[in-house]
Amino acid sequence: EDQVTQSPEALRLQEGESSSLNCSYTVSGLRGLFWYRQDPGKGPEFLFTLYSAGEEKEKERLKATLTKKESFLHITAPKPEDSATYLCAVQAPGTYKYIFGTGTRLKVLA
Amino acid sequence: GAVVSQHPSRVICKSGTSVKIECRSLDFQATTMFWYRQFPKQSLMLMATSNEGSKATYEQGVEKDKFLINHASLTLSTLTVTSAHPEDSSFYICSGQGADEQYFGPGTRLTVT
Repeated sequence: EDQVTQSPEALRLQEGESSSLNCSYTVSGLRGLFWYRQDPGKGPEFLFTLYSAGEEKEKERLKATLTKKESFLHITAPKPEDSATYLCAVQAPGTYKYIFGTGTRLKVLA
Repeated sequence: GAVVSQHPSRVICKSGTSVKIECRSLDFQATTMFWYRQFPKQSLMLMATSNEGSKATYEQGVEKDKFLINHASLTLSTLTVTSAHPEDSSFYICSGQGADEQYFGPGTRLTVT
């Protein structure tokens, strides 16, 4: 069964304290892996798409990496405005449907 | 990134009435749109996939007669919650399929009293 698991469920960091969020997946073939950020009461905001193992993408303080079993979202020197829920999703071949993980709620303290 | 809008952002309705939520892709054409439901502190739950000009495909356990979906054009999909009950209160989010990824609307908070 296709499945996505994110860890930790919640993470509190001090401003400037770098860390990584994990997204483990099992899917019968990977069409793409997607990272989103969601603020309370809003829709998810697209961050990255990764397609194959070894691929990396960066945007400001965020860097996403992908292996054959998991993806990491590295946050370097986070700021309070990085506080949000980070969602990971995968697509299997032949479908546009997402399989979402449960998300990681990140809180960055000033 | 591409922009998706939803209207209304918040709606309160009485039990037994119907409410319609609109989802528009503003700067791209979305052949496929998705409707999700999200409970507090939980992830998004896919309700249905809609393709322009054809019937929506509903996920297991989602009542198609209760959640009516119409995808009339490449930029507009609507979700109508019929005979709403308090248990239908939730955050509803739509998305449009772009070239590679989905772009999400801002969500609609539905409260049924």
